[in-house]
Amino acid sequence: IAGITQAPTSQILAAGRRMTLRCTQDMRHNAMYWYRQDLGLGLRLIHYSNTAGTTGKGEVPDGYSVSRANTDDFPLTLASAVPSQTSVYFCASSVLRETGELFFGEGSRLTVL
Amino acid sequence: GENVEQHPSTLSVQEGDSAVIKCTYSDSASNYFPWYKQELGKGPQLIIDIRSNVGEKKDQRIAVTLNKTAKHFSLHITETQPEDSAVYFCAAGGYQTQGGSEKLVFGKGTKLTVNP
Repeated sequence: IAGITQAPTSQILAAGRRMTLRCTQDMRHNAMYWYRQDLGLGLRLIHYSNTAGTTGKGEVPDGYSVSRANTDDFPLTLASAVPSQTSVYFCASSVLRETGELFFGEGSRLTVL
Repeated sequence: GENVEQHPSTLSVQEGDSAVIKCTYSDSASNYFPWYKQELGKGPQLIIDIRSNVGEKKDQRIAVTLNKTAKHFSLHITETQPEDSAVYFCAAGGYQTQGGSEKLVFGKGTKLTVNP
């Protein structure tokens, strides 16, 4: 069982370029999330989706967009990358019920130059 | 909204000693308090959680205590081993009987080093 698969693992990107981070889960979880992790700032929620077809904004949504066309996939897009978006990005999923365990992917390290 | 403070940011202990990490939260409506362990190069993984109707929960060498009046909760690791070395995150939130985990707010993390 793969759980959460993220791609790419690592990417260096020029400022102003468009980038999509991919996230796929095989656990049939309803809810999916994107977090960014920065040194000294912990994990901050970017966007989330509680069911296919719905999305919501987290704590730091500016400069990012998401879509949830089906249960398994939850891509995160940076329309025009900026250096402040250099971070490690984690996708996560959970069963949609009373708040419970988040299952995280291995992360995507993005560097914007 | 919720604000979670976590201390210390780094903690170094000798193998076999105990380690304690403390978190405070601001929203009295929060009712779910998980702890995640993140090993180098990996995603965070849930190690223990507690809900507001419980004061303490144990799982082998780890335990979590919750004081709702004071709005703080702590992670206790006894008989530490080198493999306990990792970054630990607390989180607070919940208060939805039907919903996802989007209300969870994470602390900034504690880097625990267990020296052999």
